[in-house]
Amino acid sequence: EDQVTQSPEALRLQEGESSSLNCSYTVSGLRGLFWYRQDPGKGPEFLFTLYSAGEEKEKERLKATLTKKESFLHITAPKPEDSATYLCAVRENTGFQKLVFGTGTRLLVSP
Amino acid sequence: EAGVTQFPSHSVIEKGQTVTLRCDPISGHDNLYWYRRVMGKEIKFLLHFVKESKQDESGMPNNRFLAERTGGTYSTLKVQPAELEDSGVYFCASNNRGDPSPEQYFGPGTRLTVT
Repeated sequence: EDQVTQSPEALRLQEGESSSLNCSYTVSGLRGLFWYRQDPGKGPEFLFTLYSAGEEKEKERLKATLTKKESFLHITAPKPEDSATYLCAVRENTGFQKLVFGTGTRLLVSP
Repeated sequence: EAGVTQFPSHSVIEKGQTVTLRCDPISGHDNLYWYRRVMGKEIKFLLHFVKESKQDESGMPNNRFLAERTGGTYSTLKVQPAELEDSGVYFCASNNRGDPSPEQYFGPGTRLTVT
């Protein structure tokens, strides 16, 4: 069965203090690893899709990377507005479209 | 372009009652998904429509849940009768089969509280 584990569960940073969030996954065949951001009371907002080991994608202060077993979301010089829950999800190579999510990392960036 | 919308945003019902949640996907999206997040747990897949057909309903917890998508536009998810463990946030998502990017676009969710 697919498994997605995210760590840490919660992370508190000072503004400007860079860090990384981890997403470890176990799937029989990966057909996409997705990062989403979720603000309180809202639905997940798409950030990145990664398909193969070695792939990297960037958006503003965020960079996502992928290996065969895990993905990292690097946050460089975060700002308070980056505070949110970051979700990782995988799609298995079965022909079905469902996403399997991790429990997320709650990030709080203090000014 | 309007995003995925869900109605109601919050519903409080008593155990044994019936509730119907509605999802309007992004216009033109063939794929519609339902997910649920119960307290403290991860978001879990419930089912997937392609137009009006159920492509994958492997995540539906039991026969108290009935999802429909008549006409291939909006979808409803009915819970009858509701139980305490059905409380949670129900998300709907959509995307288009023809798009090269497979990301799913999520609605704001319906928070269901069963008392």
